[in-house]
Amino acid sequence: DAGVTQSPTHLIKTRGQHVTLRCSPISGHKSVSWYQQVLGQGPQFIFQYYEKEERGRGNFPDRFSARQFPNYSSELNVNALLLGDSALYLCASSALGWSSTDTQYFGPGTRLTVL
Amino acid sequence: ILNVEQSPQSLHVQEGDSTNFTCSFPSSNFYALHWYRWETAKSPEALFVMTLNGDEKKKGRISATLNTKEGYSYLYIKGSQPEDSATYLCASPGKAGTALIFGKGTTLSVSS
Repeated sequence: DAGVTQSPTHLIKTRGQHVTLRCSPISGHKSVSWYQQVLGQGPQFIFQYYEKEERGRGNFPDRFSARQFPNYSSELNVNALLLGDSALYLCASSALGWSSTDTQYFGPGTRLTVL
Repeated sequence: ILNVEQSPQSLHVQEGDSTNFTCSFPSSNFYALHWYRWETAKSPEALFVMTLNGDEKKKGRISATLNTKEGYSYLYIKGSQPEDSATYLCASPGKAGTALIFGKGTTLSVSS
């Protein structure tokens, strides 16, 4: 079975633009989480969705939004891009999404560069 | 706010050496501790999920222990190989059933 997939792999945008990142979870997984990873730091939680409902939101501005579709795929949207939004954006899927012991399986990430 | 810390930040060993890293987390309101291995240009790979005090997990040459009372977990690698070179991350949920809070990771480099 395919693992978590993300598109695009790389993306270059300019300040003020908008970006949409996409994630397809492992088949059968109903929960998707988004993380931002900047150099030298661990991944930082942005959003979690389970069964199309937002289950959690990290400490990110309202410029960040996400949604989950009926097929459990997900989009992360970032408006009014800032230089500081340059990072690797990781998507993770899990079967349950509500259990602390539920393993999260990560995709390869989307590298966003804001110029 | 849950704070997960890892040490050392980086480590360089010779092939065949055994090594270990530390992950520290608040001992109160503990739910679970996750370990991941992240090789360059790949996806983070789940290694272990640990929940019980005194828990020990093993996967090949890699093992982990958990002490929830004092708030730490150790990851051990026996007989390090160049393919073990990666960043090792630990993470814990801030609350039951919520997303993971990650440490900054320990980057291991193994020379042949």
